[in-house]
Amino acid sequence: DGGITQSPKYLFRKEGQNVTLSCEQNLNHDAMYWYRQDPGQGLRLIYYSQIVNDFQKGDIAEGYSVSREKKESFPLTVTSAQKNPTAFYLCASSIINSHNQPQHFGDGTRLSIL
Amino acid sequence: AQKITQTQPGMFVQEKEAVTLDCTYDTSDPSYGLFWYKQPSSGEMIFLIYQGSYDQQNATEGRYSLNFQKARKSANLVISASQLGDSAMYFCAMREPSNTGKLIFGQGTTLQVKP
Repeated sequence: DGGITQSPKYLFRKEGQNVTLSCEQNLNHDAMYWYRQDPGQGLRLIYYSQIVNDFQKGDIAEGYSVSREKKESFPLTVTSAQKNPTAFYLCASSIINSHNQPQHFGDGTRLSIL
Repeated sequence: AQKITQTQPGMFVQEKEAVTLDCTYDTSDPSYGLFWYKQPSSGEMIFLIYQGSYDQQNATEGRYSLNFQKARKSANLVISASQLGDSAMYFCAMREPSNTGKLIFGQGTTLQVKP
């Protein structure tokens, strides 16, 4: 059954700690995306990647880092430089050369500060 | 720059009635795609319906339909025969004209269906 798997579902970060959120897809999509969602708000793009070993900053990349070593995987690291990391993080993937194809989303990770 | 505006932070509808959720957009590109997503309280984003800028007819998908008015740059979502399970946040999004697949999201509308 194809889809996007995000883990963990809940994550707690201590002061000064880096944490990594996992995102895996088996849809054979080229593009992957990370979004941040604050309560009652829309989605803001953190990073995206169209191809393995390449990625671009989105609108709010500061304090975050990503890697794309495999097509299926696009982990997001929330670094200690991100002073307000508490939010809901959503990973998505899509086909890129087809205008009518939607992004498919994982179930999200809720990150909180301890 | 492209922009999506959803002006209704919250909406109520009686069960079995129809409801319209507003979405206006701004773009200078003649080719674009518009998407609607549903986000229940559990958090996942569920794709509902798509409308392309060159589509001659309004998109429909079961109880969901789009009232697409290109000249007014609006793509309002109509949900017919509302059900309790329709209570959720709804997002309108526009695909960027570049080939990145990036979406620009509106702020969302929270819909509550009353029994």
